[in-house]
Amino acid sequence: SQQGEEDPQALSIQEGENATMNCSYKTSINNLQWYRQNSGRGLVHLILIRSNEREKHSGRLRVTLDTSKKSSSLLITASRAADTASYFCSTPGTALIFGKGTTLSVSS
Amino acid sequence: EPEVTQTPSHQVTQMGQEVILRCVPISNHLYFYWYRQILGQKVEFLVSFYNNEISEKSEIFDDQFSVERPDGSNFTLKIRSTKLEDSAMYFCASSERLAGNNEQFFGPGTRLTVL
Repeated sequence: SQQGEEDPQALSIQEGENATMNCSYKTSINNLQWYRQNSGRGLVHLILIRSNEREKHSGRLRVTLDTSKKSSSLLITASRAADTASYFCSTPGTALIFGKGTTLSVSS
Repeated sequence: EPEVTQTPSHQVTQMGQEVILRCVPISNHLYFYWYRQILGQKVEFLVSFYNNEISEKSEIFDDQFSVERPDGSNFTLKIRSTKLEDSAMYFCASSERLAGNNEQFFGPGTRLTVL
């Protein structure tokens, strides 16, 4: 299992704006997953992108993957206050290893 | 929609006491996990469990910790002699297949407070 590193560590935006978070990792992967954690709660799976995919959409989420740069980005469009949470990427093995995440704060 | 459940939601114990945290994974899932999160820190992997044995464990999962699937539905984490530094949120998770190829579903967590 290996850890992804998210960037930035914190992001503050207004409702309706887009939020972009980045993830970098070190070795080759089969897939990369993004999770969200609301304060003090368990993690919720958002999206999985496989190594042969370059972009994937799910509702207001858009994930890209660049295996040559070993990086991924998560874009949340038209953000809402309910999107306020911490976001993590992980490149799993038998378990998930999480980095410190990006803490997104969306104010109305 | 099926979900992972955990009990209790909050456990307070005295240092040196044994605690058992309980989880009911999603019924058709085969892989089970425990994670912990100390207040203000990142979520840390403890252990994964498959086919009635530990598949992988982290450095945190020392001899004070054990896991068990006592029946067909429950998955437990036991801490034999709790320390102050064991105070954390403990999350159970399950997946249909190995986490590497499939999403994990997390429970709401048990907040353990060691006094």
